[in-house]
Amino acid sequence: GAVVSQHPSRVICKSGTSVKIECRSLDFQATTMFWYRQFPKKSLMLMATSNEGSKATYEQGVEKDKFLINHASLTLSTLTVTSAHPEDSSFYICSARVRASDTQYFGPGTRLTVL
Amino acid sequence: EDKVVQSPLSLVVHEGDTVTLNCSYEVTNFRSLLWYKQEKKAPTFLFMLTSSGIEKKSGRLSSILDKKELFSILNITATQTGDSAVYLCAAANAGGTSYGKLTFGQGTILTVHP
Repeated sequence: GAVVSQHPSRVICKSGTSVKIECRSLDFQATTMFWYRQFPKKSLMLMATSNEGSKATYEQGVEKDKFLINHASLTLSTLTVTSAHPEDSSFYICSARVRASDTQYFGPGTRLTVL
Repeated sequence: EDKVVQSPLSLVVHEGDTVTLNCSYEVTNFRSLLWYKQEKKAPTFLFMLTSSGIEKKSGRLSSILDKKELFSILNITATQTGDSAVYLCAAANAGGTSYGKLTFGQGTILTVHP
């Protein structure tokens, strides 16, 4: 149980385009999903916390207009990187948390490369 | 600011060795401590610890939490090459808008040679 999927696994796009990444909890309902960014050989940096049906809470330094998060259902959250630039290239990972538990289950990640 | 520090940052051992990975934390409204293993992709869950002094075990892996001294250790006995990975610990926050937020350590890179 507790499987989280992410799509796409890899995306290459041109500078200035927008990219949408989907995160789904496949076998459980996730009231809260989290979006992380990971640079090579570094740990996970939390970008935002997404609660179903409400606005996401962004960490300090993360631009909410650039990284749009939507959590429309208990099994789906999306992250849209708007007007992507090369510095946005990174590994983006989502996680989903079961209600009343601290355990977060991670998706397989999305490698974004902006040319 | 919440902080989680892991040591060592990297470790190279031979198959069959036993390793101990350390994690110390300073987190307001601490709730629990989690260990994850990360290979090429996203982290996979190993343990969640909420109570001091109670060891959790899964096969060759075990972990324990000391809430007085604010640290946790992850032990791996009889290491195998498949244990090679980055091991991450994370502290969960219980307070307010930060509820459930995980603060991750830098990770320990474990390399097990045949």
